[in-house]
Amino acid sequence: AQTVTQSQPEMSVQEAETVTLSCTYDTSESDYYLFWYKQPPSRQMILVIRQEAYKQQNATENRFSVNFQKAAKSFSLKISDSQLGDAAMYFCAYRRSGGSNYKLTFGKGTLLTVNP
Amino acid sequence: GAVVSQHPSWVICKSGTSVKIECRSLDFQATTMFWYRQFPKQSLMLMATSNEGSKATYEQGVEKDKFLINHASLTLSTLTVTSAHPEDSSFYICSASTGPGKLFFGSGTQLSVL
Repeated sequence: AQTVTQSQPEMSVQEAETVTLSCTYDTSESDYYLFWYKQPPSRQMILVIRQEAYKQQNATENRFSVNFQKAAKSFSLKISDSQLGDAAMYFCAYRRSGGSNYKLTFGKGTLLTVNP
Repeated sequence: GAVVSQHPSWVICKSGTSVKIECRSLDFQATTMFWYRQFPKQSLMLMATSNEGSKATYEQGVEKDKFLINHASLTLSTLTVTSAHPEDSSFYICSASTGPGKLFFGSGTQLSVL
C-alpha cells in the first residue's frame, strides 16, 4: 500500500523568507502523481502544485517549487518570499496514475505559520 | 479549474436522525467521486469511492450501512449519515476527478450531532 509521510507537524517562517516542507512516500508503482495541497482556516482544499512522476523536471508555480527525487521517493515543497496568506496546513498527497478511480493518499500534514 | 459544489456547508442535527450531504460537479461529468472525513487538526481520511451507476467502494473500517453513498448521475453524489450520533460529528469533504492528475474538492460540510 502506498504511504505518505510528512515528518514536520509544524513549521514557521518569517515573512519574505523561504521555507521547505518535507514529504516522503512509498510506492511500488513507476507512474504516479504527487501533489501539495494547502488548507487554510476556511478548510477549502487548494491545489498548490502537482508533479508527474515520469517528468524529471521539478514543477514550479510562481513562488512555489518542488524538489522531486524519484529514487529517494522524496517530494519537498519550497515556498519563496513567504507571505502571511501562506499560513495554512499543507498536505502532501500521492495518486497512482492510470484511472480516475484511484484514490488520493494524504500525509498527516504540516502546519505552517508565517511570522510578520 | 473545475468546480465542485458541496451542500450544506454546515449542519446541526439531533442524535438518531439522518443527514444528507450533496456533492455536485458543476461544469464537468464525474464518473468517480470520493468522500473524505477530517477530524480537527488531522489529515483527510478516505471513506469511500463513489462510482456513477454502481455501488460505492468503502474503505476498511467504514460502516456502509451508516454512511450511505449514492451516485445516481454523472454530476451528483450524496452521502447520507444514518442514525447520526455525536461521534459522527466531523468535517466531510467530497472530491471529483477530471483525469488521473486532476482532482477538485468541494468546500466541505461540518456536521455537528447533538
